[in-house]
Amino acid sequence: EPEVTQTPSHQVTQMGQEVILRCVPISNHLYFYWYRQILGQKVEFLVSFYNNEISEKSEIFDDQFSVERPDGSNFTLKIRSTKLEDSAMYFCASSEARGEKLFFGSGTQLSVL
Amino acid sequence: AQSVTQLDSHVSVSEGTPVLLRCNYSSSYSPSLFWYVQHPNKGLQLLLKYTSAATLVKGINGFEAEFKKSETSFHLTKPSAHMSDAAEYFCVVSDDQAGTALIFGKGTTLSVSS
Repeated sequence: EPEVTQTPSHQVTQMGQEVILRCVPISNHLYFYWYRQILGQKVEFLVSFYNNEISEKSEIFDDQFSVERPDGSNFTLKIRSTKLEDSAMYFCASSEARGEKLFFGSGTQLSVL
Repeated sequence: AQSVTQLDSHVSVSEGTPVLLRCNYSSSYSPSLFWYVQHPNKGLQLLLKYTSAATLVKGINGFEAEFKKSETSFHLTKPSAHMSDAAEYFCVVSDDQAGTALIFGKGTTLSVSS
């Protein structure tokens, strides 16, 4: 079965630094998503992306966050100035069409020190 | 707004015995409901999906779930647990009718003993 790939699996950064989390969605998928899970809490929706623009975003997705599809294969999440509370597991997902099954990556564990 | 509550944070069963993972939801319209499973160091995998067709939904690995509107429940069951079923299970409701923004429950850890 095709997979969504996320790199790195674990990212450690200092508070205030910028981080970029990378994802390679499944090649024929058109919708891309980021979710996060803070330790001990629910998986939370951050943002969905289609046709090179954000289609939906949650309250969590403030001005510190941005997403980009810089080329035909990568989908990135950037956090401009990380805070301690940004420490979480970040999941990328993609789907073939709106409302279709989401395929998730195995996540990037972000630790902000 | 949609929400989902998983009633048990941890369920322990013996291999070969039935599995029941409970989930209640709230939704202002006919929801799409999902169960996802997460094995250690793996991504979230879709087990099954309900989208207003048959109320009993069959998924992968012998799991099934029944949508009960009167009880606002979508419990996950399996007749006979296997050691490989040990994982974290998430009940999920879509936040809109297109199902693009998913709302996750807190998860239930299933342990299976031999």
